[in-house]
Amino acid sequence: GAGVSQSPRYKVAKRGQDVALRCDPISGHVSLFWYQQALGQGPEFLTYFQNEAQLDKSGLPSDRFFAERPEGSVSTLKIQRTQQEDSAVYLCASSSPFSAHEQYFGPGTRLTVT
Amino acid sequence: RKEVEQDPGPFNVPEGATVAFNCTYSNSASQSFFWYRQDCRKEPKLLMSVYSSGNEDGRFTAQLNRASQYISLLIRDSKLSDSATYLCVVRMDSNYQLIWGAGTKLIIKP
Repeated sequence: GAGVSQSPRYKVAKRGQDVALRCDPISGHVSLFWYQQALGQGPEFLTYFQNEAQLDKSGLPSDRFFAERPEGSVSTLKIQRTQQEDSAVYLCASSSPFSAHEQYFGPGTRLTVT
Repeated sequence: RKEVEQDPGPFNVPEGATVAFNCTYSNSASQSFFWYRQDCRKEPKLLMSVYSSGNEDGRFTAQLNRASQYISLLIRDSKLSDSATYLCVVRMDSNYQLIWGAGTKLIIKP
């Protein structure tokens, strides 16, 4: 498919476990964004990559959150020592340089921390 | 105060009716405005951009009032398939970040 894909779609983690969430952006999209969406809220910005460079990580809620995009395509969001408040849907979006305002979202990973 | 505010709804509207959503934003430096649609347990998708002169796309009309920092979306002849959450989004063109409202839930009833 040509869209943004994310895996896993659902993840249940016990409190204290580490998790890794993967995003495959649309081919050719240099910009990649991670968002956290809590129930009943809009997406909240976490971090932004342009190619492999992480240009903004101001939205990461704590140093337990880490994101990388080493080759400028696939990205991984890692959460260490998960807490219950980390339970949310994690959305990845990509955009092309020719239409920077339109972000194409993946289906998200629903993380539940028990 | 949130940067982008919307009435969370839900708006319960009969099929065929006209419905309007409003959104206010706090940062006067905001330059670009959008409406996204999000179906239950799905990802957001761009519905339409909002231009200063107002714009229309089929049954959907978007308006921007910069003086009042207010954006609206009008849906005419509503369909059952319009049931979704509508998210108001703003961006300062100097910044790639999109700032999202919490969304307004719309339920179209037969």
